[in-house]
Amino acid sequence: DTGVSQDPRHKITKRGQNVTFRCDPISEHNRLYWYRQTLGQGPEFLTYFQNEAQLEKSRLLSDRFSAERPKGSFSTLEIQRTEQGDSAMYLCASSLAFRGIYEQYFGPGTRLTVT
Amino acid sequence: SQKIEQNSEALNIQEGKTATLTCNYTNYSPAYLQWYRQDPGRGPVFLLLIRENEKEKRKERLKVTFDTTLKQSLFHITASQPADSATYLCAHLDTGRRALTFGSGTRLQVQP
Repeated sequence: DTGVSQDPRHKITKRGQNVTFRCDPISEHNRLYWYRQTLGQGPEFLTYFQNEAQLEKSRLLSDRFSAERPKGSFSTLEIQRTEQGDSAMYLCASSLAFRGIYEQYFGPGTRLTVT
Repeated sequence: SQKIEQNSEALNIQEGKTATLTCNYTNYSPAYLQWYRQDPGRGPVFLLLIRENEKEKRKERLKVTFDTTLKQSLFHITASQPADSATYLCAHLDTGRRALTFGSGTRLQVQP
């Protein structure tokens, strides 16, 4: 399968614990995005990378959230000291930075439940 | 900032009919609007993109229109099938930021 993959697919954690999610984009894509989606809502942008550079972070991304994309390949999203409000689906997407190409390819998501 | 609005009420139609979903935006005319399909528990899948200088775009049974006067895009599925049942998301692409701003989606249910 050459699509975007995310790991784990589901994560249940206790409030206050740290969690880390991984995203593997489509191999030739140089842009990588993280979104968060809650029930009944559309995805909300969190942050994006072009190659290894993190170019933008949303105001939604509090200090407890950090994302990395070492060597411009896979990316990790870490949430420290999780809160119940962090429960959501975390989606990763990738795209090719090329003139005229704007669609994003999404992974299956990681569903986080904070108890 | 740009806000994308979609009808949160589910749309129920009979198989074979045309489904029409609405997407409204509140501020400046987006350079691009995209439509995605999302099935339960899965990530969105890209369907179509329409530019602000395009009135209409088609792909197989799908058609998207863009009316900058009404600040609205319509998404049509002709000859709908039960397999078309899903949530359809409208998204504005901010070309400066490259991030998508999504509406809340409209759930479509096609009855056999």
